[in-house]
Amino acid sequence: TQLLEQSPQFLSIQEGENLTVYCNSSSVFSSLQWYRQEPGEGPVLLVTVVTGGEVKKLKRLTFQFGDARKDSSLHITAAQPGDTGLYLCAGAKTNAGKSTFGDGTTLTVKP
Amino acid sequence: DAGITQSPRYKITETGRQVTLMCHQTWSHSYMFWYRQDLGHGLRLIYYSAAADITDKGEVPDGYVVSRSKTENFPLTLESATRSQTSVYFCASSQIQGPKNIQYFGAGTRLSVL
Repeated sequence: TQLLEQSPQFLSIQEGENLTVYCNSSSVFSSLQWYRQEPGEGPVLLVTVVTGGEVKKLKRLTFQFGDARKDSSLHITAAQPGDTGLYLCAGAKTNAGKSTFGDGTTLTVKP
Repeated sequence: DAGITQSPRYKITETGRQVTLMCHQTWSHSYMFWYRQDLGHGLRLIYYSAAADITDKGEVPDGYVVSRSKTENFPLTLESATRSQTSVYFCASSQIQGPKNIQYFGAGTRLSVL
């Protein structure tokens, strides 16, 4: 069974603080996706990382794929209340139909 | 409208009743999925489908039935609803491009079984 463990499970911070969310596995993935889910909505894709060691930036969000393609991190700089939501990572294998989802990190950013 | 739509958005039913949740996508994606999301859990895969007439069990299939006679539709049926099936249900479709598997989610159906 392929598992993706996310940490922390819950995170509550003040506006302006930095934070990092981790997604770890013992399995190697061909790619890893990060999604954000807001209350009452379905998850929405933020980014896909494919190459080991790859770093992608999306405004104040920085995503990194581990060198061995078993783990990933999401770093948010100067968090804002609009960043509040559930962050999910999902690992995929080439041409495999289904992905493995982590249990998510619930982020609350207080004004 | 283009995209993936789920209906109904909200449903209240009673124990023992049959309930069908609908999912429709306009992209012609080959893969479709049904997940449930409960408080304290992430997404748990119920069933998925690789193409019309091809379905497979996910992590938590018991008590659910799916069908896929057309590429664009993937209904999920609870044959005899139980209280433990109270949850938020998400349908997704997938565009697989080599190593990437990007899933597009509907807005969800919130189901309460009384």
